[in-house]
Amino acid sequence: QVQLVESGGGLVKPGGSLRLSCAASGFTFSDYYITWIRQAPGKGLEWVSYISGGGVTMHYADSVKGRFTISRDNAKKSLYLQMYGLRAEDTAVYYCARMDGGTHPGFFYYMDVWGKGTTVTVS
Amino acid sequence: SYELTQPPSVSVSPGQTASITCSGGKLGDKYASWYQQKPGQSPVLVIYKDDKRPSGIPARFSGSNSGNTATLTISETQAMDEASYYCQAWDSSLGVFGGGTKLTVL
Repeated sequence: QVQLVESGGGLVKPGGSLRLSCAASGFTFSDYYITWIRQAPGKGLEWVSYISGGGVTMHYADSVKGRFTISRDNAKKSLYLQMYGLRAEDTAVYYCARMDGGTHPGFFYYMDVWGKGTTVTVS
Repeated sequence: SYELTQPPSVSVSPGQTASITCSGGKLGDKYASWYQQKPGQSPVLVIYKDDKRPSGIPARFSGSNSGNTATLTISETQAMDEASYYCQAWDSSLGVFGGGTKLTVL
């Protein structure tokens, strides 16, 4: 079935680095934009970044721009989030999610499949 | 930066209608999506493109979006609908979530 599975979370010291992975199955991975969304403990959802199906288009939230890098390997059906310069406020559950929708008319992407998340703790 | 504002909490009696609002500048010119999240679980899409329901989502969930406000309406609310609900939109290709609304069914 359609599935996303995140991995790579853990405990890291402030200023440290971590690489998250998201393995996809059950759908044609390269056809879809994929996004990272995080949720700090007891807080709401925060969009982090997305990447287009071909890996050409990427966008980042201001809070992570310049510190996080999103990438994908379509042959491996995998998405990555390389995180540098981690801060305490980056502590969160990180979800990857499939984006469905399109850009005509208007930008109407929505997240229709979510993983279970991986936990990042910066302390 | 663009912001979406939701009430922190909404209460509803079983069988009644719950309405959760999401406000943002000219939100009606964008497409809104809504996500349901129960404790310890991943979010689930309940409404996309303002008023479309994904397969498997009960018909009691509906959405609208006009002016500066998008609204998620849950008719004949059931105990299983108790959860946090988040609206989401895109502004200049950047994702924005509302702060979330905790729906209590009592």
